[in-house]
Amino acid sequence: KNEVEQSPQNLTAQEGEFITINCSYSVGISALHWLQQHPGGGIVSLFMLSSGKKKHGRLIATINIQEKHSSLHITASHPRDSAVYICAVRAGTASKLTFGTGTRLQVTL
Amino acid sequence: EPEVTQTPSHQVTQMGQEVILRCVPISNHLYFYWYRQILGQKVEFLVSFYNNEISEKSEIFDDQFSVERPDGSNFTLKIRSTKLEDSAMYFCASSQGGKETQYFGPGTRLLVL
Repeated sequence: KNEVEQSPQNLTAQEGEFITINCSYSVGISALHWLQQHPGGGIVSLFMLSSGKKKHGRLIATINIQEKHSSLHITASHPRDSAVYICAVRAGTASKLTFGTGTRLQVTL
Repeated sequence: EPEVTQTPSHQVTQMGQEVILRCVPISNHLYFYWYRQILGQKVEFLVSFYNNEISEKSEIFDDQFSVERPDGSNFTLKIRSTKLEDSAMYFCASSQGGKETQYFGPGTRLLVL
């Protein structure tokens, strides 16, 4: 059974700060997803990665397959970045995602 | 930009009643999923569907649950006899391939009284 752990559970930052959210998983995976969940509940896919690093705007996602660890970074954080950030993994040939518990980010002015 | 849609956005039902949650996946997608999120908990996989049949299901997806693609556009989740513990947000998702990015609908919030 694949366990997906995220840290921290909650994070408060001031506008402009650099933010890092971490994700660890217990078994080999074929891909890792970072998703964003807004207060209304909707889920948006940010990244899917299986190796290395991806960047989109102020967001950067990295993954270390050997260490079974991924990080999501937000540069120059803004209050509109406030949301729950969720790590989810896909293992082997399955298409289903196994989700972490999420990191609640609050960015204040 | 194409998106996954779900109806209704909210549903309140009495315990023991049947509910049908509807989803319209992105039109050229071939893989469909249902997930649920109980309030305050993490998102959990229920079922995946490909080529008109279930490809994988979780322990949660027992005989009370069923899925159907009744026509070329809709994908439904039926709960035959709802329980209090079925109260959750239900998300539909779709992807072009089994290993591609999954796109999520806005969710249906189900409350069982």
